[in-house]
Amino acid sequence: EVQLVESGGGLVQPGGSLRLSCAASGFTFTSHWMGWVRQAPGKGLEWVANIKQDGSEKSYMDSVKGRFAISRDNAENSVYLQMNSLRVEDTAVYYCARDGGTYYIDYWGQGTLVAVSS
Amino acid sequence: QSVLTQPPSVSGAPGQRVTISCTGSSSNIGAGYVVHWYQQLPGTAPKLLIYGNSNRPSGVPDRFSGSKSGTSASLAITGLQAEDEADYYCQSFDTSLSFYVFGTGTKVTVL
Repeated sequence: EVQLVESGGGLVQPGGSLRLSCAASGFTFTSHWMGWVRQAPGKGLEWVANIKQDGSEKSYMDSVKGRFAISRDNAENSVYLQMNSLRVEDTAVYYCARDGGTYYIDYWGQGTLVAVSS
Repeated sequence: QSVLTQPPSVSGAPGQRVTISCTGSSSNIGAGYVVHWYQQLPGTAPKLLIYGNSNRPSGVPDRFSGSKSGTSASLAITGLQAEDEADYYCQSFDTSLSFYVFGTGTKVTVL
């Protein structure tokens, strides 16, 4: 059974940093792009970042470029999202996501809440 | 800001057919990129409903179907059931943004 379990969310002040982790199991991790998708309270979905199987390619939504960094550890079957210079508008539930092969998400984690507030 | 536009809400009685539109442009759907659909039940993570314009993952009832034409795509739900009450999102790729984009989302209400 495919499982994606996020951790690392919490309350942080504007300008602060947070690192999200996603532990994957139940599939061949190195066969899939992985990514992060977020959803602000009461709002729609936004694809934040994704990373190729070997980590050689990464892409980001415009508003997080230069502030967020996605990475993966294939030995640990984990993907990470380092978030720096956090803003109030980054407040959201962050979902870990597995790319199904044609730029869609076939499995989602349960989500972890990031709240940016003073 | 979403570049794929969906109606904020649609509703129907049990057993009826409803459709949700997803309107894009020449830089995404119109450029030939495939469209995918997700269902998000209240308080839960989204779930893949349709991939590659019209394909259903294993376990998704055939009441759900997807189509694409020109710069738009549609999700149809036939034989609407109470359990279909959820938010639905389309998703594709946009060449102008060079990134993946979601639709604005549609809330389906079963009357």
